[in-house]
Amino acid sequence: GAGVSQSPRYKVAKRGQDVALRCDPISGHVSLFWYQQALGQGPEFLTYFQNEAQLDKSGLPSDRFFAERPEGSVSTLKIQRTQQEDSAVYLCASSFRNYGYTFGSGTRLTVV
Amino acid sequence: QKEVEQDPGPLSVPEGAIVSLNCTYSNSAFQYFMWYRQYSRKGPELLMYTYSSGNKEDGRFTAQVDKSSKYISLFIRDSQPSDSATYLCAMKGTGNQFYFGTGTSLTVIP
Repeated sequence: GAGVSQSPRYKVAKRGQDVALRCDPISGHVSLFWYQQALGQGPEFLTYFQNEAQLDKSGLPSDRFFAERPEGSVSTLKIQRTQQEDSAVYLCASSFRNYGYTFGSGTRLTVV
Repeated sequence: QKEVEQDPGPLSVPEGAIVSLNCTYSNSAFQYFMWYRQYSRKGPELLMYTYSSGNKEDGRFTAQVDKSSKYISLFIRDSQPSDSATYLCAMKGTGNQFYFGTGTSLTVIP
C-alpha cells in the first residue's frame, strides 16, 4: 500500500485482557519499528525488526509485551494482561533504509 | 536527564511569522537528526532529515544542526495556519532506535 496501515485505530480493553495490534508496513520496507506514545510525550522505542528478525527488543517495558513479524511483512504487537499504564498510542513505522521512518496513524489503546 | 530535551510550548504566532523550534541533546554519538510534524490523532510525518552538522533547506523549512553545542533547530518561514501541529525532533546514533523529544505544540493564528 501507499502508507503504513495500523489496525484497529482505537481499542478499549478491560484490565487483564489480552490485545493484539496489527501493522502493515510499506511494501518492500525491510525495517519495522514499534513505538509507544503517551499523551503529551514523544514516541518511545519498543522494538525493531529487520525483515522477520527481531534485532532489538530493549524497549519493551515488560514480558507482557511481545512482537512478531513472521514473514517479514505484517507485524503484530501483543500485550498480555493489560494494565492501565499500558494506555497509550502505539505507533508502527517502516523504512527502506534505516533512516527517515514512515509512521502509521497509530492504535490508541485505552485500558479501563 | 532525558537523552533529548525539547520545550513543549505551547507556541502561538501570527500568520507570516518566522518560527524557531529547538532541541538539545546529551549523547555525542547522535549523527542523524530529524524533524517530524504530528497533527492531532495522526502519526508523525517526516519533515527534514540531516546527517551530522550543518544546514538543510526545503521550501519554507530550514534545519540546523550544531553538534559542538548539541543543539538542533527548525525554522519555519512565512508560517501558515496549516503549520499548526506538534513538532517532534528525533535523533539517532549507530544503534537502531531513534530518540524523540516531547514535541512542541505550535499554533499559527490567521
